[in-house]
Amino acid sequence: EAGVAQSPRYKIIEKRQSVAFWCNPISGHATLYWYQQILGQGPKLLIQFQNNGVVDDSQLPKDRFSAERLKGVDSTLKIQPAKLEDSAVYLCASSPMTGRGYTFGSGTRLTVV
Amino acid sequence: GENVEQHPSTLSVQEGDSAVIKCTYSDSASNYFPWYKQELGKRPQLIIDIRSNVGEKKDQRIAVTLNKTAKHFSLHITETQPEDSAVYFCAAAYSSGTYKYIFGTGTRLKVLA
Repeated sequence: EAGVAQSPRYKIIEKRQSVAFWCNPISGHATLYWYQQILGQGPKLLIQFQNNGVVDDSQLPKDRFSAERLKGVDSTLKIQPAKLEDSAVYLCASSPMTGRGYTFGSGTRLTVV
Repeated sequence: GENVEQHPSTLSVQEGDSAVIKCTYSDSASNYFPWYKQELGKRPQLIIDIRSNVGEKKDQRIAVTLNKTAKHFSLHITETQPEDSAVYFCAAAYSSGTYKYIFGTGTRLKVLA
């Protein structure tokens, strides 16, 4: 079974620039999550989709972050404009409706300079 | 709000000794408790999980215990080996149509050879 695919693996941008991350979940997984993991901390949920609808975006900084999951499969997370404190690993995860089989992607390490 | 406290934040043990990591959750609706191992630069990987209708689960050298009354759950690793060195995250999850995960802050385990 293919895993959760994310790209790019690494990204370095200057503050105030824009960046986008892409996630392709495991086939058939209805739920998709985006997490921000700052060095030394646990993953913090940014947004959760079920199919193509948003379930929870309460911790998404909506003034600069946006995400979409068109057609209920792939998802993109965008930051515009980036700040220094956005430097982190952005993890995508997916799971079936049952919640078991929750799988993380390899993440995108973002460095904002 | 919902949160998961995890202790200790760092743990060093001698090879062959046991390691115990403890988590406490706040949301009594939580009914699924996975543990993840994250090696440096890699994605978190599920190592063991337990549902709320079970008090203990064991898989070779790792075991998880759950005390629903106290809202505590713990990870036990016996006969630790250097390759057990990693960051371990607990999570508490509940279903409200779709599963929502709250992660602990992580424990950095170092097994000394």
